Amino acid sequence: EDKVVQSPLSLVVHEGDTVTLNCSYEVTNFRSLLWYKQEKKAPTFLFMLTSSGIEKKSGRLSSILDKKELFSILNITATQTGDSAVYLCAVITQGGSEKLVFGKGTKLTVNP
Amino acid sequence: DAGVIQSPRHEVTEMGQEVTLRCKPISGHNSLFWYRQTMMRGLELLIYFNNNVPIDDSGMPEDRFSAKMPNASFSTLKIQPSEPRDSAVYFCASSLGGVADTQYFGPGTRLTVL
Repeated sequence: EDKVVQSPLSLVVHEGDTVTLNCSYEVTNFRSLLWYKQEKKAPTFLFMLTSSGIEKKSGRLSSILDKKELFSILNITATQTGDSAVYLCAVITQGGSEKLVFGKGTKLTVNP
Repeated sequence: DAGVIQSPRHEVTEMGQEVTLRCKPISGHNSLFWYRQTMMRGLELLIYFNNNVPIDDSGMPEDRFSAKMPNASFSTLKIQPSEPRDSAVYFCASSLGGVADTQYFGPGTRLTVL
């Protein structure tokens, strides 16, 4: 069964700290890995990673994929209270029909 | 663009009643997805359509759930009869082309079955 596991489940930090969120996966026929940010409502897309070792960056957020060790990390530097959210990792599998498998998320709380 | 539109935003119903959730995808998007999110199970893909055709419904929990997409701008997810364990937030998302394209989520429908 395809599986995506995120850690930690929750994290509390102070503004200005740097955080690293982890996502490991066990799937058949990996295609891509995605990161989403979910605040109070719907998930919003952050990154899509397909190739190992290539960092994707957007402002203070960055992410990288390791297809050999089957994991990805999402880094947030100089955290702000607005970064408080649940961060979801999802893996797209390919094959007969593509599937999207989500992890349960990491709840990040950034305190002032 | 208005984004993905879902209605209703909140639904409270009694066990045994029929529930219909509605979704309007972003104009021009060819794929539409229905998800369910609960604390216990996280976000789960229920079904997705490509060009109005159901591609994968393996995530649909049981026969009480059905989804239709009669045209490119409208989809419904129906639960009949509803049960308390169906209580969750149901999201609709759309993308330009399939699972591998960036999906844009609607605001969700919070369903409570008493």
